[in-house]
Amino acid sequence: DAEITQSPRHKITETGRQVTLACHQTWNHNNMFWYRQDLGHGLRLIHYSYGVQDTNKGEVSDGYSVSRSNTEDLPLTLESAASSQTSVYFCASSLSGAMGTDTQYFGPGTRLTVL
Amino acid sequence: KNQVEQSPQSLIILEGKNCTLQCNYTVSPFSNLRWYKQDTGRGPVSLTIMTFSENTKSNGRYTATLDADTKQSSLHITASQLSDSASYICVVNPHTGTASKLTFGTGTRLQVTL
Repeated sequence: DAEITQSPRHKITETGRQVTLACHQTWNHNNMFWYRQDLGHGLRLIHYSYGVQDTNKGEVSDGYSVSRSNTEDLPLTLESAASSQTSVYFCASSLSGAMGTDTQYFGPGTRLTVL
Repeated sequence: KNQVEQSPQSLIILEGKNCTLQCNYTVSPFSNLRWYKQDTGRGPVSLTIMTFSENTKSNGRYTATLDADTKQSSLHITASQLSDSASYICVVNPHTGTASKLTFGTGTRLQVTL
């Protein structure tokens, strides 16, 4: 069955370290998204991609970067981790198009703690 | 700024009872409104989607309603089960219709008890 996976599921790191969170989907979806989820906030978009070699900044992109070298993967990198980036991170994918009508399928999440 | 507000923040009900969750939004115009269910420690899963022209949409024991005039949506859960314990998130897609402009509510946390 097609799925979307994230790794690691839990990560503890120190301030200033570079961290990369992996996202892999087997749906063959063109669109991929990274969100963060914090108490008191709805899911907030970090970065997104509508296809290979395409990446775009979302609402809360400062301190994060992504690259899309193939259809299946969109890794999220925290260049220099900060305590404010302690959060639960979700990757999502949807079929294609930028209209937002396609269902986004979410991964299980990565809980990141920055000490 | 487009906003989506959900109420109540949390709710506890007995198994077998019905409940209704509310979503008020300021996004206007909008393309569609979706309800997601998020189990603890898992990612959100889509329950229903309604366009601006639809009034109701059902998925088993879940029924979503939409009043575009008052900018309100509700999710009604019938004959609740323990497995309904989760957070329910309302998501609005603006009329500009970009997948990157989805506005997520903060969710209602539902607990179903014996």
